[in-house]
Amino acid sequence: QVQLQESGPGLVKPSETLSLTCAVSGYSISSGYYWGWIRQPPGKGLEWIGSIYRGGSTYYNPSLKSRVTISLDTSKNQFSLKLSSVTAADTAVYYCARTNYDSTGCPFFDSWGQGTLVTVSS
Amino acid sequence: SSELTQDPAVSVALGQTVRITCQGDSLRSYYASWYQQKPGQAPVLVIYAKNNRPSGIPDRFSGSSSGNTASLTITGAQAEDEADYYCNSRDSSGNHLYVFGTGTKVTVL
Repeated sequence: QVQLQESGPGLVKPSETLSLTCAVSGYSISSGYYWGWIRQPPGKGLEWIGSIYRGGSTYYNPSLKSRVTISLDTSKNQFSLKLSSVTAADTAVYYCARTNYDSTGCPFFDSWGQGTLVTVSS
Repeated sequence: SSELTQDPAVSVALGQTVRITCQGDSLRSYYASWYQQKPGQAPVLVIYAKNNRPSGIPDRFSGSSSGNTASLTITGAQAEDEADYYCNSRDSSGNHLYVFGTGTKVTVL
């Protein structure tokens, strides 16, 4: 059974870069699937940030694309998120998740990390 | 990009049936998946590929789709079903871009 675990600083200063890592166990990320990040500001809904495929292809939410980088580290079986020039609006719980697809090409997130709260404040 | 719209809140009497809807242009081309989120917890997949349940999800959860609307139905709602529910689908552009619905708070009375 695949398990995902986020890690990274819980506090980031405005204008700096938020960096998080998602460690995956129970499955080799180089074997397949898309791997992605989703966030949830306090008291608000879910927002997809972006995803990466085993070959390194990346897909980002257009509203965040200019500030987001997602990368894979297959040697450590983990993937990472970097979000630059953060503001208070980036304060959220950040989740990593595995994206699966059904036979018709419709996506679904079938495994999630527990989430990590990142606060942007000086 | 696409948007998926859900009613902010619905309530259901214990043991009764409730349907949660999700509307958006992308749903004419792609099925929605549905997630249950309880306070302080990560979302959990409850329906995918229109009407498939992951292992461990009770069969009182079912999904359907028509036109630009996807629905999640809870038949015989239980107290533990009280949660926020989100739909999700692929962006109507066809690229690997995803969008979540605005979320529905389900209260079991």
